[in-house]
Amino acid sequence: QSVLTQPPSVSGAPGQRVTISCSGSSSNIGAPYDVQWYQQFPGKAPKLLLFDNNNRPSGVPDRFSGSKSGTSASLAITGLQAEDEADYYCQTYDNSLFVVFGGGTKLTVL
Amino acid sequence: QVQLVESGGGVVQPGRSLRLSCAASGFTFSDYPMYWLRQAPGKGLEWVAVAPYTGGYHHYADSVKGRFTISRDNSKNTLYLQMNSLRPEDTAVYYCARETTPKQFFVGGMDVWGQGTTVTVSS
Repeated sequence: QSVLTQPPSVSGAPGQRVTISCSGSSSNIGAPYDVQWYQQFPGKAPKLLLFDNNNRPSGVPDRFSGSKSGTSASLAITGLQAEDEADYYCQTYDNSLFVVFGGGTKLTVL
Repeated sequence: QVQLVESGGGVVQPGRSLRLSCAASGFTFSDYPMYWLRQAPGKGLEWVAVAPYTGGYHHYADSVKGRFTISRDNSKNTLYLQMNSLRPEDTAVYYCARETTPKQFFVGGMDVWGQGTTVTVSS
């Protein structure tokens, strides 16, 4: 049972917009701590996709964006592409548990 | 280029010990807090431990507290994870990762990850 709650799976057609939610509590996202998002392909290490809610590291396309409100955050991917098919994880900090992750969301591009 | 390379994984019996290493290159290792994280087969990411960039307290996940010890040798640009009293549920790919912002703690996540090293705890 992960501290942050994500949907197990989402899907979308190429070109569409999809969102992935991440729900926490007043001791983490609502504390408030900023949220990070990671992308992971099978057999590969995670890659930082967004940090501090909506900041993209160099090289991450602007199709990826994030937002945070209250005790929840979300990742939006616009102009969905086949190569976006991967697992996505949200991450933040917690007053008691230090570093917490969501359970991950598998994105399928139809 | 900025790189982290883990080593030391393997197959070990329950109750035994193992030490993982993470060699850093391409950046000023001593400026960054460093993390160990793991991912059990088919499961999500789990934070294991963090070492501040200089002094300070190390922090551990409850699942490993008292059994695992994180340490770093800034002169060798290397992060370690000493794992004692291993359990089958410790079976996972172990990653080391770098804090995104130098000299900051618990800010911005982890921007550089190693390729991972696999630990299997089984009799």
